[in-house]
Amino acid sequence: AQSVTQLGSHVSVSEGALVLLRCNYSSSVPPYLFWYVQYPNQGLQLLLKYTSAATLVKGINGFEAEFKKSETSFHLTKPSAHMSDAAEYFCAVSDGGNEKLTFGTGTRLTIIP
Amino acid sequence: DAGITQSPRHKVTETGTPVTLRCHQTENHRYMYWYRQDPGHGLRLIHYSYGVKDTDKGEVSDGYSVSRSKTEDFLLTLESATSSQTSVYFCAISPTGTQYNEQFFGPGTRLTVL
Repeated sequence: AQSVTQLGSHVSVSEGALVLLRCNYSSSVPPYLFWYVQYPNQGLQLLLKYTSAATLVKGINGFEAEFKKSETSFHLTKPSAHMSDAAEYFCAVSDGGNEKLTFGTGTRLTIIP
Repeated sequence: DAGITQSPRHKVTETGTPVTLRCHQTENHRYMYWYRQDPGHGLRLIHYSYGVKDTDKGEVSDGYSVSRSKTEDFLLTLESATSSQTSVYFCAISPTGTQYNEQFFGPGTRLTVL
């Protein structure tokens, strides 16, 4: 069985500060990992994905995430927060074999001017 | 953007009435999914389909049924709506042939059951 834990349901950072959103996974096989972003009243948009090609993955809007097998983590970072980054972020895991994604409970990011 | 539409986008209904939500795709993807999104729970899978007339249950399937008679359409039915089914419902699709299960989401349907 696979699962995802997102630490911190709400994160606030100042504009220009580092953004760090945490995701830890559990999977019995090498996982595929995803970060999605959801802006208010919209659907989910794929931010980036890890598919074993490279441990450091770059996504859209300046975000990146690093896969660390030893820590079973896939944390999302952005060096400098922008007001437009305010949204809810979801981490998800797939083991590739059962046609499904398992989502975390989400982290709402607030940017302080 | 992936060609996914959901209808209706908003619906208010009363307890005990049947409700059908529609997901339509123009991508010819094999896999289609229905999720519900609730505060504190993230997204939870209700049902999914891996082909025409091929469907399976997700983790929160009680009280819901689905049908897929055409590749492009995936219907979610609440046979007798309850207040606990008030939620935002998302449809997602996944390309044929990918091993990653990357999914693309529709805009959502906000359902309120009074």
